[in-house]
Amino acid sequence: EVQLLESGGGLVQPGGSLRLSCAASGFTFSSYAMSWVRQAPGKGLEWVSSISGRGTNRNYAGPVKGRFTISRDNSRNTLYLQASSLSTEDSAVYYCAKEADLYSRSPPDYWGPGTLVTVSS
Amino acid sequence: QSVLTQPPSASGTPGQRVTISCSGSSSNIETNYVYWYQQLPGTAPKLLIYRNNQRPSGVPDRFSGSKSGTSASLAISGLRSEDEADYYCAAWDDSLSGYVFGTGTEVTVL
Repeated sequence: EVQLLESGGGLVQPGGSLRLSCAASGFTFSSYAMSWVRQAPGKGLEWVSSISGRGTNRNYAGPVKGRFTISRDNSRNTLYLQASSLSTEDSAVYYCAKEADLYSRSPPDYWGPGTLVTVSS
Repeated sequence: QSVLTQPPSASGTPGQRVTISCSGSSSNIETNYVYWYQQLPGTAPKLLIYRNNQRPSGVPDRFSGSKSGTSASLAISGLRSEDEADYYCAAWDDSLSGYVFGTGTEVTVL
C-alpha cells in the first residue's frame, strides 16, 4: 500500500524559511517522479514543484521559482521542499504527491494527508 | 494559477447524471492525458480517473471520463449524497513542464 506522510509545517513569520519532508513507502520510490502541490484556504489546487526519480530534473511553478528548492533522498525514501522568503501568499496546505506514470510525466495518483504552513506575523 | 477551466458548481438530485467540463489548450489537454480527482472537505484529493477514462480499482463505474481535443469531461451517473465534493481535472502541461489543475467544481446533491 502506497503511503505518503508530510511533516514540517507550522507557523512562520513573513520572510522566514521552512523545510517540509515527506516519508514514502509501499512503492519503489526512486522509480517515480514526486511533486509538491499546495492548496490555500478555500482555494483550488496549485502545483508547486516536481522532481524526477533520480533527482536530476527539477521544475518549479512561477510563483515559487528562486525561493523554493525540491530535493529527494532515495536512500531514505524521503522527499523535501525547502521554502524560503515566505510571504502570506504561501500559506496553504502542502501535499506530497507521487506521479502516476512510470515512463512519462503525469499528474499524481497518490497524495499524502498534507501539512499546513501558515505565514503570519 | 489554474490553467484549466471548470464550471464553479454543478448539482443534481439523487439518481441523476451530472457532467463536469474541463477546458484547456494544445499544451496540456490536447497532447496529454487528463486526470480527475475528488476532494471531500478537509481531506486530500483522491484519484477518480486517470489517462482520460481509466478508473483505479475501487472507484465505482458511476464515474466516467472522456476527452476530445482541448476539452475533457467527467460524468457522474446515479448521483448519490456521498458524491458531494469538489472535483478537479489535471493534465501535464508541456510549456510549463509541470502539471496544471482545473479551477474546481463543487458538486451538490439536492
